[in-house]
Amino acid sequence: AQSVTQPDIHITVSEGASLELRCNYSYGATPYLFWYVQSPGQGLQLLLKYFSGDTLVQGIKGFEAEFKRSQSSFNLRKPSVHWSDAAEYFCAVGPPSGGGADGLTFGKGTHLIIQP
Amino acid sequence: GAVVSQHPSRVICKSGTSVKIECRSLDFQATTMFWYRQFPKQSLMLMATSNEGSKATYEQGVEKDKFLINHASLTLSTLTVTSAHPEDSSFYICSARDWGQGAGNTIYFGEGSWLTVV
Repeated sequence: AQSVTQPDIHITVSEGASLELRCNYSYGATPYLFWYVQSPGQGLQLLLKYFSGDTLVQGIKGFEAEFKRSQSSFNLRKPSVHWSDAAEYFCAVGPPSGGGADGLTFGKGTHLIIQP
Repeated sequence: GAVVSQHPSRVICKSGTSVKIECRSLDFQATTMFWYRQFPKQSLMLMATSNEGSKATYEQGVEKDKFLINHASLTLSTLTVTSAHPEDSSFYICSARDWGQGAGNTIYFGEGSWLTVV
């Protein structure tokens, strides 16, 4: 069965500093990979996704993520964080093809705190 | 871009009553939608897959008689929590995949619905 591990429950970063959120997955094939952000009391917003092709994907709000097959990782990065980036971040995996149950499996999330 | 909308965003109901949550894909057709549940400060757990025109597929441990799912059209799926109890209080989120040309097979999530059972 597929699984997603986000090893960091909380991360604190100073405003303007760089950020990397870790995500490791376990899946039988190349999965469909996502990063979502959730502000308190809100739904999920898609930051970026990887399906195939270039392993470095660009997303919204200045985020990027790199798929590393050898490490089964899909870490999220941002060169300079803003106070508005404080939120919960979820990494998720899903099967690349449709049909049947292709709901996503989510990691437990990483809570990002921005220090002034 | 494509949007998935949920209604209501917040609902409070009395214990023992039923409550319905709607999930709509606003500008694309979704033959399959998904319902997730999120407890406070926890991750999302897939509850069931909603299939247009057929029965929903439930994940292990999810009571199908308690969480009724109806996918009556290509743009609407509903989740009805029957005989709600306080332990059903949670954040319920739906999602749908846009298979349309140029959509990149993106999965979109609704804004979520907070259910509080008192």
